[in-house]
Amino acid sequence: NAGVTQTPKFRVLKTGQSMTLLCAQDMNHEYMYWYRQDPGMGLRLIHYSVGEGTTAKGEVPDGYNVSRLKKQNFLLGLESAAPSQTSVYFCASSYVGRERSYEQYFGPGTRLTVT
Amino acid sequence: DQQVKQNSPSLSVQEGRISILNCDYTNSMFDYFLWYKKYPAEGPTFLISISSIKDKNEDGRFTVFLNKSAKHLSLHIVPSQPGDSAVYFCAASGGNAGGTSYGKLTFGQGTILTVHP
Repeated sequence: NAGVTQTPKFRVLKTGQSMTLLCAQDMNHEYMYWYRQDPGMGLRLIHYSVGEGTTAKGEVPDGYNVSRLKKQNFLLGLESAAPSQTSVYFCASSYVGRERSYEQYFGPGTRLTVT
Repeated sequence: DQQVKQNSPSLSVQEGRISILNCDYTNSMFDYFLWYKKYPAEGPTFLISISSIKDKNEDGRFTVFLNKSAKHLSLHIVPSQPGDSAVYFCAASGGNAGGTSYGKLTFGQGTILTVHP
């Protein structure tokens, strides 16, 4: 099992460019999440999905869009990148187990720089 | 408004001694708490969790204590090892009155733990 994988690992964008970050999980998890991590801020939830074809906003959704066309994939899009979106992006997935563990499994991250 | 706070950005401990990492929260609706460990250039990995109906959970060298009245939890690592050097994040789930949180987590800022040989 690969767990949660993210593509690409690194990317440099110019202001105004667009890109899509891909997240894939092979654990058959229902829930998937996108976070960004900035220095001194911890991880903040951008968007999440509770199943194929569903998405919802998290804490910091502005400037991002997401899609979950297949259960195993969760895409994060930046339509017009801004320097404020320079960050490390993490994807995670989870199931809600019998004991409501809420344990999330994270990918290795994508480091994005917007110049 | 930071609902989960880790007020110590860093902690330095000697190998073999106890490491105590602290976390405070403000939302009384949180009902599940987790600790994650993160090495550089990797994603966070789950370490240990505790439900709000308990006040202690232990897993090997790691113990999490929850004080609901003080809205405070702590992670104890005994004995500390150099391999424990990492960033530790506290996270909380729940917080939605009358509804499901869909597993969403609210994270603290993280504490960098350094264990010296």
